[in-house]
Amino acid sequence: NAGVTQTPKFRVLKTGQSMTLLCAQDMNHEYMYWYRQDPGMGLRLIHYSVGEGTTAKGEVPDGYNVSRLKKQNFLLGLESAAPSQTSVYFCASSTGQWVLHFGNGTRLTVT
Amino acid sequence: AQSVTQPDIHITVSEGASLELRCNYSYGATPYLFWYVQSPGQGLQLLLKYFSGDTLVQGIKGFEAEFKRSQSSFNLRKPSVHGSDAAEYFCAVGAGNTPLVFGKGTRLSVIA
Repeated sequence: NAGVTQTPKFRVLKTGQSMTLLCAQDMNHEYMYWYRQDPGMGLRLIHYSVGEGTTAKGEVPDGYNVSRLKKQNFLLGLESAAPSQTSVYFCASSTGQWVLHFGNGTRLTVT
Repeated sequence: AQSVTQPDIHITVSEGASLELRCNYSYGATPYLFWYVQSPGQGLQLLLKYFSGDTLVQGIKGFEAEFKRSQSSFNLRKPSVHGSDAAEYFCAVGAGNTPLVFGKGTRLSVIA
């Protein structure tokens, strides 16, 4: 089993560009999450999904959109990237709400 | 809403010494409590969890944590630290139908 796979691992964007981060899990988990990690800020929840076709806002949703068209995939989109979105992004999945399985992260730099 | 505080940003211990990382939570009822560990360049991995019952819980890699309701704490401990334990540690609290809330993390350095 691959677990939770994030694509790409690294990306550099210019301000105003758009991109999509892909998260795929092969554990048949219902719940999926997108977090961002910034120095001194811990992990902050961007959006999450409690099942296929559902999405919900987390703590810091502005500037991001998500989609969960298939149970195994959770996409995070940036429509117009800003330097403030420079961060490490983590996807996670879980069967219930609490025991999360994390991917290895995507390091995004916006110049 | 629940919240969690990790008072120590960075801790340095010597190899073989004991370790205690502090975690305090805020929630009206008994929450679900977790410790996760993040090695450099990796995602987070669950160390241990507390749902109910025995307030001393054992986890992987020789870690344990004790839930103290009176102090709203869930401190992580290890009797003897190895160099491989150098990482960032996150306490998290879960409650109701809301997603996990993570603390800001404590970075552990281990000196030989």
